[in-house]
Amino acid sequence: DIVMTQTPLSSPVTLGQPASISCRSSQSLVHSDGNTYLSWLQQRPGQPPRLLIYKISNRFSGVPDRFSGSGAGTDFTLKISRVEAEDVGVYYCTQATQFPLTFGGGTKVEIK
Amino acid sequence: QITLKESGPTLVKPTQTLTLTCTFSGFSLSTSGVGVGWIRQPPGKALEWLALIYWDDDKRYSPSLKSRLTITKDTSKNQVVLTMTNMDPVDTATYYCAHKVVGLTGSFDYWGQGTLVTVSS
Repeated sequence: DIVMTQTPLSSPVTLGQPASISCRSSQSLVHSDGNTYLSWLQQRPGQPPRLLIYKISNRFSGVPDRFSGSGAGTDFTLKISRVEAEDVGVYYCTQATQFPLTFGGGTKVEIK
Repeated sequence: QITLKESGPTLVKPTQTLTLTCTFSGFSLSTSGVGVGWIRQPPGKALEWLALIYWDDDKRYSPSLKSRLTITKDTSKNQVVLTMTNMDPVDTATYYCAHKVVGLTGSFDYWGQGTLVTVSS
């Protein structure tokens, strides 16, 4: 199984300041079709997960442009350029390159 | 507009079989590339993928739970059903179903609201 490791576990951020979350996979996430199926999900308190970023850096429909994704191979990053109050929640990286599909342990973003 | 909704019992006893239904709209499970999966989340914990069924009836399961899971689809009813046998208190979790398309986002892009299942005698 591909293990997804996220850091930090928690990220206290001041409103308007940037935040960054790292995700490392135990194996390369490059698929045989050439794509890298690494995504980021946001889960606000009491809500289901919501897709933010897919294939490393593509924002899903309706996602604000303050969210961006980057990385390659086994190392990936989600950045929030200026944190807003509605960004509070837990963020998960997830891979769909290989079965079984796996998720990171989550990173909690909270306001200082 | 794609929507999914999970339904099933909120309380099951240990050793019983859980049956959950995902009813969806806005897409067809007979369309090439489309899939519906199940993911669970124990209270306060991370997400765990359980199973996935594709438009062509290809089925994938979490290896650690494969012996206990069965996923089926009813295309005419726009439903996907997950059964999990021999339930245990550690299976207490919110169970989500979600939509996926091969090669498009490569991820679960639309999620249901989830249903909390408690396993207790």
